Amino acid sequence: EAQVTQNPRYLITVTGKKLTVTCSQNMNHEYMSWYRQDPGLGLRQIYYSMNVEVTDKGDVPEGYKVSRKEKRNFPLILESPSPNQTSLYFCASSRGVANYGYTFGSGTRLTVV
Amino acid sequence: AQSVTQLDSQVPVFEEAPVELRCNYSSSVSVYLFWYVQYPNQGLQLLLKYLSGSTLVKGINGFEAEFNKSQTSFHLRKPSVHISDTAEYFCAVSDEAGTALIFGKGTTLSVSS
Repeated sequence: EAQVTQNPRYLITVTGKKLTVTCSQNMNHEYMSWYRQDPGLGLRQIYYSMNVEVTDKGDVPEGYKVSRKEKRNFPLILESPSPNQTSLYFCASSRGVANYGYTFGSGTRLTVV
Repeated sequence: AQSVTQLDSQVPVFEEAPVELRCNYSSSVSVYLFWYVQYPNQGLQLLLKYLSGSTLVKGINGFEAEFNKSQTSFHLRKPSVHISDTAEYFCAVSDEAGTALIFGKGTTLSVSS
């Protein structure tokens, strides 16, 4: 089944403790992206990648890092999480955003206390 | 820069009634428009998209949308809703670079019997 898989689904952590949310897609898509969803704000793009070793900032990149060492994987790294990063995070992939949109994972609900 | 405005944050309707979820967009370039649905505790699923051609676009689950260039709108409609259509709906436009979808803040559709 074609899908975007992210783990974990739920995560509670403490301020300052580094964490990684993994994302993997099995559709051989070039484009991958991370979004965060917050009530009343909709979805906002954090980072995106156009291919292996090509990444760039989205609208809200502060406090996040990403890497794209393999085409299928696009992990999101929070090196020093803070409470304002409590959110619902979605990984997404696409073979062409304008023509196909993004295919989304099931989401990771992160709580930073 | 592109932007999307969803005119209603919540839309309550009764089962089997018609529904329209309103979306206006702002874009200075060619427009690629999307509607996504998010069921509780799930990721986003593509309902339909407009790239070019016919202004009436049909999607999954009986939904359709009409692209209106003069009014810069892309409203989503369904002639008869079911309880199972209860979800959050997001309108989105592709950005100029083709690397991001810019989302509206969402409309919560609540269908009751």
